[in-house]
Amino acid sequence: EDQVTQSPEALRLQEGESSSLNCSYTVSGLRGLFWYRQDPGKGPEFLFTLYSAGEEKEKERLKATLTKKESFLHITAPKPEDSATYLCAVHAHQTGANNLFFGTGTRLTVIP
Amino acid sequence: DAGVIQSPRHEVTEMGQEVTLRCKPISGHNSLFWYRQTMMRGLELLIYFNNNVPIDDSGMPEDRFSAKMPNASFSTLKIQPSEPRDSAVYFCASSRTQGNRNEQYFGPGTRLTVT
Repeated sequence: EDQVTQSPEALRLQEGESSSLNCSYTVSGLRGLFWYRQDPGKGPEFLFTLYSAGEEKEKERLKATLTKKESFLHITAPKPEDSATYLCAVHAHQTGANNLFFGTGTRLTVIP
Repeated sequence: DAGVIQSPRHEVTEMGQEVTLRCKPISGHNSLFWYRQTMMRGLELLIYFNNNVPIDDSGMPEDRFSAKMPNASFSTLKIQPSEPRDSAVYFCASSRTQGNRNEQYFGPGTRLTVT
């Protein structure tokens, strides 16, 4: 059975304090791993897709990396506006042609 | 591009009433997804369509839930009769699926409260 586990559930950082969020997955045949950002009262916003181990993607203060078992979302020198819930999702061969299976997210709070 | 449009944004109804949620996907996208999000269970896929055809409805909780996509620019999710446990935020998402590319773009959601 496909599984996606995100850790930690919640993270509080001081502004400028870099850290990483983890997404561990167990799937049969990964087709893609996705990172989303969700602000309160809004829908998830697409950030990155990673397709193969060793791949990295960057956007502003965020960098996503992928191994065969997990993905990290590195946040460098975060700002208060980076506060949000970060979701990862996997697209696997067994999940269905187009399905994404989501983790429960990491709620990030960046304190000024 | 206007993004995925959902209506209504908020719906409060009484138990037993019929509820219809609406979604307009991004123009040119060929897949549409309905999700439900709760604190307890997170984001769950209910059903998805590819080229207007329902492909997987295994996430639909029970027969009280139904979804249609009569054309490429419109979909509905109906709950009849509604129950308090259906209270959640319902999201619609769409994607332009090509090979492994499957970036889904979400609407703002409909917050449903059933009393």
